[in-house]
Amino acid sequence: EAGVAQSPRYKIIEKRQSVAFWCNPISGHATLYWYQQILGQGPKLLIQFQNNGVVDDSQLPKDRFSAERLKGVDSTLKIQPAKLEDSAVYLCASSLGLTGGEKLFFGSGTQLSVL
Amino acid sequence: TQLLEQSPQFLSIQEGENLTVYCNSSSVFSSLQWYRQEPGEGPVLLVTVVTGGEVKKLKRLTFQFGDARKDSSLHITAAQPGDTGLYLCAGADGGSNYKLTFGKGTLLTVNP
Repeated sequence: EAGVAQSPRYKIIEKRQSVAFWCNPISGHATLYWYQQILGQGPKLLIQFQNNGVVDDSQLPKDRFSAERLKGVDSTLKIQPAKLEDSAVYLCASSLGLTGGEKLFFGSGTQLSVL
Repeated sequence: TQLLEQSPQFLSIQEGENLTVYCNSSSVFSSLQWYRQEPGEGPVLLVTVVTGGEVKKLKRLTFQFGDARKDSSLHITAAQPGDTGLYLCAGADGGSNYKLTFGKGTLLTVNP
C-alpha cells in the first residue's frame, strides 16, 4: 500500500517569498490533515479536511496561509508571504474518516527554511 | 486548548536498560495515541488507548492509560538502539472533528 506522498522534501526561501507544498493522501482516505512541526515541538494542526470540505482551520494563520483540497484527493498548502517563524517541517497526514480511534498515516514532511 | 505535557524531554540510556516516559494533562481525552518519529520522517502510530486504566503491550513496549483518562505512560523494557526516536503522545478531544493535540515529545537515545 502506498503511503502519504509529499513534495518537495526540502525548500529554502527568503522571507516575503511564496511557497507551496503538495500532498497526495492514501487512496480512499477521506480525512486529510496539515500539521506544522517546529524544531523541538510536537506537530500542531493547521487545517483538517473531510473529503473536500474544511472541518477545522482554527489554528491556520489565514492572513498568510491557505490550503485547498480539490476533488477530495490531493491537497496544497501555500504560504504567502513567508516569515522567518514559518521555518518548520510541514507534515501531511490522512485517515479513513471521522470515527473514534482514528489511525493517522503521516508523510515524510516538507522541511521549510525561511532565510 | 487542551495541553499535553511530556516528560522527560530528553532521555539517553544504554542498551538493555528500562525506561518510562510520561504524558500528562489536566484535560480528559476520549482516547490517547502514542507515536514514534525518526529523524526526517513523519510520526508512526504505535498504539491507541481508549478505556481508563487500559494497558496495552507491543512487544517490549507497555502503554497505560490513566483511570481518569488524563494521563498515560510508555514503558520500554530492555531498550535497543532501534528504539531511538521521538516519542509523541496525542490526545483526542472526542468531538465530532476528532481533533488530535500533540505533546512536545520525549527524545530517546539508546546507546549500544
